[in-house]
Amino acid sequence: KAGVTQTPRYLIKTRGQQVTLSCSPISGHRSVSWYQQTPGQGLQFLFEYFSETQRNKGNFPGRFSGRQFSNSRSEMNVSTLELGDSALYLCASRPGTEVDTIYFGEGSWLTVV
Amino acid sequence: KQEVTQIPAALSVPEGENLVLNCSFTDSAIYNLQWFRQDPGKGLTSLLLIQSSQREQTSGRLNASLDKSSGRSTLYIAASQPGDSATYLCAVNGDRGSTLGRLYFGRGTQLTVWP
Repeated sequence: KAGVTQTPRYLIKTRGQQVTLSCSPISGHRSVSWYQQTPGQGLQFLFEYFSETQRNKGNFPGRFSGRQFSNSRSEMNVSTLELGDSALYLCASRPGTEVDTIYFGEGSWLTVV
Repeated sequence: KQEVTQIPAALSVPEGENLVLNCSFTDSAIYNLQWFRQDPGKGLTSLLLIQSSQREQTSGRLNASLDKSSGRSTLYIAASQPGDSATYLCAVNGDRGSTLGRLYFGRGTQLTVWP
């Protein structure tokens, strides 16, 4: 069974640009969540989607958005990039309930210059 | 707001030692607690998940305990090996309202096991 797949793995963007990251969950998983990891703040929750609906959202500005498609694949978008958005963005999936183990992808490394 | 603390921040030990990593959380309203391993530049690998109603879970040389009422968990690693070198992260899963489904992470313990 394939794991959580994130693309692209590495990317460099310029301040002010926007970026879209993609995540394909494990087959059959309906919940997808996104986390940002930085040396300064550690791992922070961005949002979670379940059956195409945003179920929960962390404390990030509106520049951070996401969506989930009918096949459970998810994308997150960051507009008007700032230097502080440089981070490892991790996607995670689980079958759908809070009692389930959560599985993380390898992440997308975003560098903003 | 849930806060998760891990002690120590870093640990360096010779191969073969038994280790204890500590995790504490401020709000006992949790669904479960999960321990992860992260290798440099990689994603997170789940090691153990303990439901809020459970006291401990074991997998091979790893044993994790949970004391929900006191807000504490420990990860015990027996007979450590160089391959255990990684950062170990503790995370709690909220069980109500805006915390439901989101993981709150500690900053991790960076473990180095030398031969």
